[in-house]
Amino acid sequence: DAMVIQNPRYQVTQFGKPVTLSCSQTLNHNVMYWYQQKSSQAPKLLFHYYDKDFNNEADTPDNFQSRRPNTSFCFLDIRSPGLGDAAMYLCATAQGGGTDYNEQFFGPGTRLTVL
Amino acid sequence: KNQVEQSPQSLIILEGKNCTLQCNYTVSPFSNLRWYKQDTGRGPVSLTIMTFSENTKSNGRYTATLDADTKQSSLHITASQLSDSASYICVVRDFNDYKLSFGAGTTVTVRA
Repeated sequence: DAMVIQNPRYQVTQFGKPVTLSCSQTLNHNVMYWYQQKSSQAPKLLFHYYDKDFNNEADTPDNFQSRRPNTSFCFLDIRSPGLGDAAMYLCATAQGGGTDYNEQFFGPGTRLTVL
Repeated sequence: KNQVEQSPQSLIILEGKNCTLQCNYTVSPFSNLRWYKQDTGRGPVSLTIMTFSENTKSNGRYTATLDADTKQSSLHITASQLSDSASYICVVRDFNDYKLSFGAGTTVTVRA
């Protein structure tokens, strides 16, 4: 089945220790998103890639970076995690055409704990 | 600023009963509205999508309604089951923007 896969599902890191979260997709979608979702809150968009073009949200901290080496994979790097970065991180994909962005398909998420 | 507000924040219902969740939005110009179901510890899964011209859309026991004039939507769950326990998120897309506006969700707990 075509899907969005996130690894690991649970990640524990220490305060200030860099961590990388992974997302892969078999949908061959050209748009990939990273969201941060804290408990009982709506997902918050951090950034997205439209093909190879990186689009950062204005309020995304510099601590968060992303890489997309190819269509299938996208990584979220947190350079120096703080306690406030503990959250669920959701990856989503969509097929965009011109200015049209279609349905987003979400992965299962990675739960990040910062000790 | 585009906003999506959902109510109630949470609700508890007995198995077999019906419930209705509300979503009000200010997103304009409006493109479409989706209801997502998010199980605990999982990513959201789309239940329904409605565009401006659609008033109602069903997916099994889930029925969504849309009033684009008043910018209100509802999600009705019929004959609830234990597996319906989840967070239900209303998501609205701006016609001119790639971004989605998410509601904070309604947490539904179905008890036997």
